[in-house]
Amino acid sequence: DAGVIQSPRHEVTEMGQEVTLRCKPISGHNSLFWYRQTMMRGLELLIYFNNNVPIDDSGMPEDRFSAKMPNASFSTLKIQPSEPRDSAVYFCASSFEAGGDTQYFGPGTRLTVL
Amino acid sequence: DQQVKQNSPSLSVQEGRISILNCDYTNSMFDYFLWYKKYPAEGPTFLISISSIKDKNEDGRFTVFLNKSAKHLSLHIVPSQPGDSAVYFCATNTGNQFYFGTGTSLTVIP
Repeated sequence: DAGVIQSPRHEVTEMGQEVTLRCKPISGHNSLFWYRQTMMRGLELLIYFNNNVPIDDSGMPEDRFSAKMPNASFSTLKIQPSEPRDSAVYFCASSFEAGGDTQYFGPGTRLTVL
Repeated sequence: DQQVKQNSPSLSVQEGRISILNCDYTNSMFDYFLWYKKYPAEGPTFLISISSIKDKNEDGRFTVFLNKSAKHLSLHIVPSQPGDSAVYFCATNTGNQFYFGTGTSLTVIP
């Protein structure tokens, strides 16, 4: 398996623009996670899905952030409108089960909002 | 508030010596803990885990110790090698709660 695939790897955009990050989980994994990494807070869980259904989105910073998982092999994280404070590395991870299981991470998307 | 805390942002160790990375957590209900290793420009990769029914788990040069009464776990790397230089994240994964620490950057000096 190719592992978790994320695109783009780098994204530079201007404040106010819409940004869409994409993730393809490992085939057969039932849970998908979106994290944001910052220096101050480390890795923060934004949202996770189980069997394509959002289970916990309490980590989503505000209404500007939204995530979807239309099928088992694809998820998106959208920021609209983007702001400079959204600049971070965003990771997608997947696992076979949600709790008590190892998560496999993608390479991340480095987002810079000017 | 940080549910999982790594209070040492960085650590330097001589090659061949022991590296000890520490982690504290707040909730005694957490029952599954993991360590991840992260190289620059890559995603974290799983290193080793421990369940709360154990107090030690060993995998080659890596050993994780869990002290439930102190709500503390540590990762020991013996002997340390230059290739171990990376950022190490402590994490808990219990039910529907997923928390990571802020990471400790380990540098192993040849």
